[in-house]
Amino acid sequence: NAGVTQTPKFRVLKTGQSMTLLCAQDMNHEYMYWYRQDPGMGLRLIHYSVGEGTTAKGEVPDGYNVSRLKKQNFLLGLESAAPSQTSVYFCASSYIAGGGNYGYTFGSGTRLTVV
Amino acid sequence: ILNVEQSPQSLHVQEGDSTNFTCSFPSSNFYALHWYRWETAKSPEALFVMTLNGDEKKKGRISATLNTKEGYSYLYIKGSQPEDSATYLCAFSGSARQLTFGSGTQLTVLP
Repeated sequence: NAGVTQTPKFRVLKTGQSMTLLCAQDMNHEYMYWYRQDPGMGLRLIHYSVGEGTTAKGEVPDGYNVSRLKKQNFLLGLESAAPSQTSVYFCASSYIAGGGNYGYTFGSGTRLTVV
Repeated sequence: ILNVEQSPQSLHVQEGDSTNFTCSFPSSNFYALHWYRWETAKSPEALFVMTLNGDEKKKGRISATLNTKEGYSYLYIKGSQPEDSATYLCAFSGSARQLTFGSGTQLTVLP
């Protein structure tokens, strides 16, 4: 049981380049989330999805786009990377809103550096 | 933006010591309070999800309490071991059912 898988694990981008981070879950979860984690700060919600074909903005959505074309996949795109987007990105999923009794299941993270 | 605060930011204890840390969260529109354990180079793992005022949860040597009226939760570790070294995150879920995370308490247990 793979849980939540994020690819790639590491990436270095030049300012202005674009890339897509992939999150895949095999638990049939309805809800999926993208967070970023910066030193001294908690995980901050970028975008989330409450089901296939739906997405919504979180706390820090600027500079990012997302898509949920298939229930098991949640993609995070950076159209024109900026150094301020250097961060560790975590994907998470849950069966019901707010995590229910089991909480969120997290991926292992993608470390992105924008130079 | 909801304010979820954890204290202390970091903590060093000796093996065998018991320790505790605090999570403060809004006392209104409460839905749930989560605790996660996050080891270095791994992903956060859920420890507890607490929903009722007065809830107490326990998993081995780790336990947590919840006070929704005053907006705080305590996490306790009894007889700390080096393998307990990790960052412990709390997260508040309100009426919008979204998790807002604290910045974590980084625990180091010295052998």
